[in-house]
Amino acid sequence: GEDVEQSLFLSVREGDSSVINCTYTDSSSTYLYWYKQEPGAGLQLLTYIFSNMDMKQDQRLTVLLNKKDKHLSLRIADTQTGDSAIYFCAETLGGGATNKLIFGTGTLLAVQP
Amino acid sequence: NAGVMQNPRHLVRRRGQEARLRCSPVKGHSHVYWYRQLPEEGLKFMVYLQKENIIDESGMPKERFSAEFPKEGPSILRIQQVVRGDSAAYFCASSVDSNQPQHFGDGTRLSIL
Repeated sequence: GEDVEQSLFLSVREGDSSVINCTYTDSSSTYLYWYKQEPGAGLQLLTYIFSNMDMKQDQRLTVLLNKKDKHLSLRIADTQTGDSAIYFCAETLGGGATNKLIFGTGTLLAVQP
Repeated sequence: NAGVMQNPRHLVRRRGQEARLRCSPVKGHSHVYWYRQLPEEGLKFMVYLQKENIIDESGMPKERFSAEFPKEGPSILRIQQVVRGDSAAYFCASSVDSNQPQHFGDGTRLSIL
């Protein structure tokens, strides 16, 4: 099936680290993505990881991929109030000509000052 | 460089009218995707197009919905005889090819009275 699952809500204090988790289903996914959506806005591509990688770091963002467990996580170091948003993980379905993204339900990150 | 441009940002229609949503991809991108986000839900894939061709329309409702991406001009998502259940945010994304990340517009928020 096409199911990407995320926890619905995460609350952290400013300055702490945030870890947002995601499980996906398609073991043949080539790429896995993290997008950020602020209220009333579109989706901003934060980062993505190739399926042959275990980890990718980009400034305050660290992505970890466990292919065996089909588990993806996004760690935000030194979380700021401006990081408050909904975070979506997404996978691409493997095979065929399509490149459609399958999104999780999103995790609302609330950063307390 | 301009990102994905969608218009209008907000669209109000009465039941039974037609809605036309426009999307201009990033310059140089020939792959366009449409997604729908219902209230309190994640994004669901609708259709994937390349110039003048529909590649994957597995997420499109069977009736009333159509999409095109002509040789010249923006991609159009057309909804005929709208109903209340069509109220949602419709997002367009584009990529340079099928193996590259998709970049999203800010969406069109469709409200049906």
